[in-house]
Amino acid sequence: SQQGEEDPQALSIQEGENATMNCSYKTSINNLQWYRQNSGRGLVHLILIRSNEREKHSGRLRVTLDTSKKSSSLLITASRAADTASYFCATDNFNKFYFGSGTKLNVKP
Amino acid sequence: ETGVTQSPTHLIKTRGQQVTLRCSSQSGHNTVSWYQQALGQGPQFIFQYYREEENGRGNFPPRFSGLQFPNYSSELNVNALELDDSALYLCASSLNWGGETQYFGPGTRLLVL
Repeated sequence: SQQGEEDPQALSIQEGENATMNCSYKTSINNLQWYRQNSGRGLVHLILIRSNEREKHSGRLRVTLDTSKKSSSLLITASRAADTASYFCATDNFNKFYFGSGTKLNVKP
Repeated sequence: ETGVTQSPTHLIKTRGQQVTLRCSSQSGHNTVSWYQQALGQGPQFIFQYYREEENGRGNFPPRFSGLQFPNYSSELNVNALELDDSALYLCASSLNWGGETQYFGPGTRLLVL
């Protein structure tokens, strides 16, 4: 079974709106990463947040981590049609990695 | 482009056969991880190799095995193929083990008939 689970499973928004995706996990982690995947191709790394960090920014991305609730969120601001993709959170415990089932984001132009 | 390459891009096999998938890691990366991604699902961790040794393994049977070579490229071998093995197989390399950022290749799509 996969440790990370994303919510919602699918999200459809208009270009320019913000998109928020959530991830919950079950056990202690070393860090949590978010990845994007376009149409069943390779995954692209977006951002890594360590277990002792609470918030991190990268361009239009903002990630939060709440280890007490075992949850993380990814916010994409001012979305673009090119952001249309599946987004996955991945947790690791040093040498084992767990991906969730993903959130499918559709940004309508 | 991540610099991680995989071959072949597509493969069709029949049940019971064996398959070898290959991955070249990004320059300077000594750790390679392999994942299986079924259609509509997230990647599932198969195993990780660090400096030619298996360093971690997910819930996959022993017929899934691997190798890492001195140049840190890697192979995934699957014996006695089953229909459920049909999936996208992804490899990812990282600078080191221990939760570093992973850089993924484009994947090999395997179809078992």
